[in-house]
Amino acid sequence: AQSVTQPDIHITVSEGASLELRCNYSYGATPYLFWYVQSPGQGLQLLLKYFSGDTLVQGIKGFEAEFKRSQSSFNLRKPSVHWSDAAEYFCAVGARGQNFVFGPGTRLSVLP
Amino acid sequence: GAVVSQHPSRVICKSGTSVKIECRSLDFQATTMFWYRQFPKQSLMLMATSNEGSKATYEQGVEKDKFLINHASLTLSTLTVTSAHPEDSSFYICSASGTGFPYEQYFGPGTRLTVT
Repeated sequence: AQSVTQPDIHITVSEGASLELRCNYSYGATPYLFWYVQSPGQGLQLLLKYFSGDTLVQGIKGFEAEFKRSQSSFNLRKPSVHWSDAAEYFCAVGARGQNFVFGPGTRLSVLP
Repeated sequence: GAVVSQHPSRVICKSGTSVKIECRSLDFQATTMFWYRQFPKQSLMLMATSNEGSKATYEQGVEKDKFLINHASLTLSTLTVTSAHPEDSSFYICSASGTGFPYEQYFGPGTRLTVT
């Protein structure tokens, strides 16, 4: 069965510190991988996506993610977190002809 | 590009009435639209997928007679919650894929439905 796990329900980091949000997936087909961010009461904004090619992908707002096939992971990173990054982050997996499967989300809090 | 809007952003209705939520793709043609439901502090639950001009495909456990979905054009899909009850109160989010990006979804801002 297709599934996406985000092991960390809630992460707190200090402003300026680095960040890594974990995402692991189980998917039968070649996956397309996405990270979305959601602010309270808002829709989802696409941060970045991976379809093929270079396994390190750059996104908006200074985020990047690395696809590691051997680990079935697609972790999201940011070298220096800003207070405005506090939000809910969702990892999602899709494939040709398949609907998205979303992870449970990781809530990021940022300390001043 | 790839902007999706939803209307209304918030709606309060009385139990037993129906509510319609609109989802529009503003700058692209949405070949496929998706409707999700999100409970507080939870992830998104796919309710249905619709292709323009076709009947929606509902996920298991979603009542198609209660959640009516219409995708009449390449830029508009509507979700009508019929005979709403308090347990239908939730955050409803639509998303869309386009011809140029069939494997990506762009999301609307969501609609907060409260049934009293």
